[in-house]
Order: sequence, then C-alpha cells, then structure tokens
Amino acid sequence: ETGVTQSPTHLIKTRGQQVTLRCSSQSGHNTVSWYQQALGQGPQFIFQYYREEENGRGNFPPRFSGLQFPNYSSELNVNALELDDSALYLCASSRDRGVNQPQHFGDGTRLSIL
Amino acid sequence: AQTVTQSQPEMSVQEAETVTLSCTYDTSESDYYLFWYKQPPSRQMILVIRQEAYKQQNATENRFSVNFQKAAKSFSLKISDSQLGDAAMYFCAYRSSASNYQLIWGAGTKLIIKP
Repeated sequence: ETGVTQSPTHLIKTRGQQVTLRCSSQSGHNTVSWYQQALGQGPQFIFQYYREEENGRGNFPPRFSGLQFPNYSSELNVNALELDDSALYLCASSRDRGVNQPQHFGDGTRLSIL
Repeated sequence: AQTVTQSQPEMSVQEAETVTLSCTYDTSESDYYLFWYKQPPSRQMILVIRQEAYKQQNATENRFSVNFQKAAKSFSLKISDSQLGDAAMYFCAYRSSASNYQLIWGAGTKLIIKP
C-alpha cells in the first residue's frame, strides 16, 4: 500500500511568485487536507477536499487555493508569495472525511521565500 | 473556538524510563476525538494514539497510553520504557465535526531521550 507522497521536497521562491505543491493520497483514500507548519509551531489547517469539492477551510486568504482530481490527488496553489509563507506544507489523506478517520501524512514540502 | 495547549516545550527522559507529556484543550462539544502525533526529524507526522471522547476507557498502544480526563479537558500521553527512537516532537490534536473536520493542533513538545 503506497502512502501519501508529496512533491517537491524542497522549493525556493521569491516574493510575489506563485507556487504549486502536489500530493498523492494513499490508495483507497478520498479526502485530502493541507496544513501549514511554520518553524517551531504546530500545523495550521488550510483546507480539506472531499471527492473533488472543498469541504472546509481555515483562516487563510484566497491566494491559497486548491484542487482535487478524480484520482483524489491534490494540489495546493499559493499566489503572490509573501515572506511569511515560508513553512513546511503537509498533506494528509484519509479514507473518508469523518471525524473518526485517522489522517495519514506525507513528508511535507519545505517552501522557502527569499 | 476550540484550542489545544501543550505547556511543556521540551521534556527529557532517561532511556528505559517513563515520561508523561501534557495536553489540555478547550471545547464546548461533547463528541470529538483527540490524537497524539509524533514528528521525527524526517518531518512525517505519525499517528501514535487516538481517543474517542465518548469512551471512558483510556486508549493504549503498546508502550503508549493516555490519561483522558474529560471533565478537566486533559489528555496526557505516557510513554513507558522510553527508547532512543522515541525522540521527536509530539503534538496533541483535536478534531470534531464542529471544528469543520480539521485537526486543531498544540504547539508541540520536544522529547529528548538520554542514553
């Protein structure tokens, strides 16, 4: 069973640029959540996708957007990058969106903004 | 709004000893789940243990167990027979349908294992 995979592993961008991060969900999982983890902090919820629809969103501006594809893989897009966007971005998938469903995480993408 | 607090930024324990990590949370919900995740330097979040709020019995997974005090809104993690591989950041997290299904996380506790 293939776990959650994220790409790229590390990315360096400059302010004002746009970035796309990718996530392949674990086999049999239809729900993907994205989190932002700043250095030395706990993750913050960005949004969740369930069967290709956004199912919930945290306190992030509209320049953070996402997609989920028919195979349940997902993308996180961030426009007009700011220095504060520097963080580890974690993707997690689960078998369903239910509260009791454990989330399985990828290794994350480290995004650095210069 | 729901919040999760971990008051211990760092804890250390001698190998083979027992350590307890603290977590408190605030919610007005009665139905929710609590989790402990481990994040080693490899960055991947690994689920250690989970507790359903409506179950009074404390969850146990091998050397890991929790002390769930619902009235006190406390959810501590006990690690017995600590091993070098247990060294990591440990995060407490909360989830409910009222929280829009998102995991709400504490700030984490860094666990150091002394050989």
